Order: sequence, then structure tokens, then C-alpha cells
Amino acid sequence: DTAVSQTPKYLVTQMGNDKSIKCEQNLGHDTMYWYKQDSKKFLKIMFSYNNKELIINETVPNRFSPKSPDKAHLNLHINSLELGDSAVYFCASSPADSHTGELFFGEGSRLTVL
Amino acid sequence: AQTVTQSQPEMSVQEAETVTLSCTYDTSESDYYLFWYKQPPSRQMILVIRQEAYKQQNATENRFSVNFQKAAKSFSLKISDSQLGDAAMYFCAYRSYGGSQGNLIFGKGTKLSVKP
Repeated sequence: DTAVSQTPKYLVTQMGNDKSIKCEQNLGHDTMYWYKQDSKKFLKIMFSYNNKELIINETVPNRFSPKSPDKAHLNLHINSLELGDSAVYFCASSPADSHTGELFFGEGSRLTVL
Repeated sequence: AQTVTQSQPEMSVQEAETVTLSCTYDTSESDYYLFWYKQPPSRQMILVIRQEAYKQQNATENRFSVNFQKAAKSFSLKISDSQLGDAAMYFCAYRSYGGSQGNLIFGKGTKLSVKP
């Protein structure tokens, strides 16, 4: 079983559309994250949720809205997609009081906006 | 705010040789974690090695070891007996210790090529 799973793995869409990426973790972790990896491979935190509450909201356009229906799921919804939104989006999770500090990553979702 | 710097955008090593990837970071915290993650072309983020700042002993995982210099805020990764499968992007990352711990802060990565 995949510990952190994201769907879809690939997404191609037109500018102006609205799309969602789903993330689920079966590790029982309390905290989930969304990272964006741009074309230069730079990874940057977008959002973090702890027990369904937003605890980090870096400076991202408000077209991006995370939704956490329960602590095992953190979905990313993007409105009015722009060319610059093309990237790989990674979901990750970690326990709230981790002894290792490690984040567990999903396989990434490559979003291409045409 | 913490920052992580990887000064080598690309590195190359001959198969079976040893290579060292550099990483420096900036923080005012005394306790934290440092990581090296590997990202092969499959794009999966794979944890290579982890170091707690309070531990003086350098972490080692098989062919992978680190040189952690806390005073110098340096955290280099040494790969011994390089293999073709080691070819990937390598990211150095920092995470605060304790409390909610916060998120991982990544360097910009080093692309490692392994020549047969």
C-alpha cells in the first residue's frame, strides 16, 4: 500500500480552468503539506495542515485553496489556472511529534497548463 | 528565517568513485534536523540520510555519509562507491526541532551524474 498517494499523477489543462489534486495518507500522521516544484526543480512549501487546521500559508495566490476533510486527506484546488502554475505538486505528511523529523512524500502530480 | 544553500548545481562522478555534495545553512536555532533527499527521474522524493543537530556523530547509511559541522553550519553528503542508480537530483533540507516542527526548507538541489 502506498503511504502517501496523490491523484492524478499527470494533469494537462487549459488556462482559466479549475482543477483539483487529491492527497491521501494512510500513516496516521497529523500534519500534511503541499509543496510546489518549479521548472528549475526548486521545492517550496505552499500549505501545511495539522489536524485539519491550517498552520502554514506561505505567500501563494488565493486561487490556490487547500481543503482537508479529515486528517488523512489534504486536497489542493486551483481556480483560474495560469501558465505559471505549471509545476510538479508534492503532497507530504509527518507525525505531529516526530522523533525523526522526516516528511513522507507522495509521488508528485505534474500539472501542465496550456 | 532559515535558509539552505547548495552551491553546486551539477556534479559528475565516475562509477565506483567517491563524490561529495556541499550544503550550508543559516539558522539561529540550536536544535534542528538536516536531511538529504534524492529525487531520481521518477520524481519520487527519497530520504537518503538524516542528522539531528544535537548529535555530534556523523550519520551514516551504507555508502552514504555526512560531514556535519555545526559551528560552520555545513552539512555535506559523501557518496562512496558511486553506482549508476545514484544519478539523481539531491536536495539538502532543514527542519526545526520540537513543537510543531514546521516544514522542510530545501536547497535548490544538485544534479548528480554518474559516468560508467
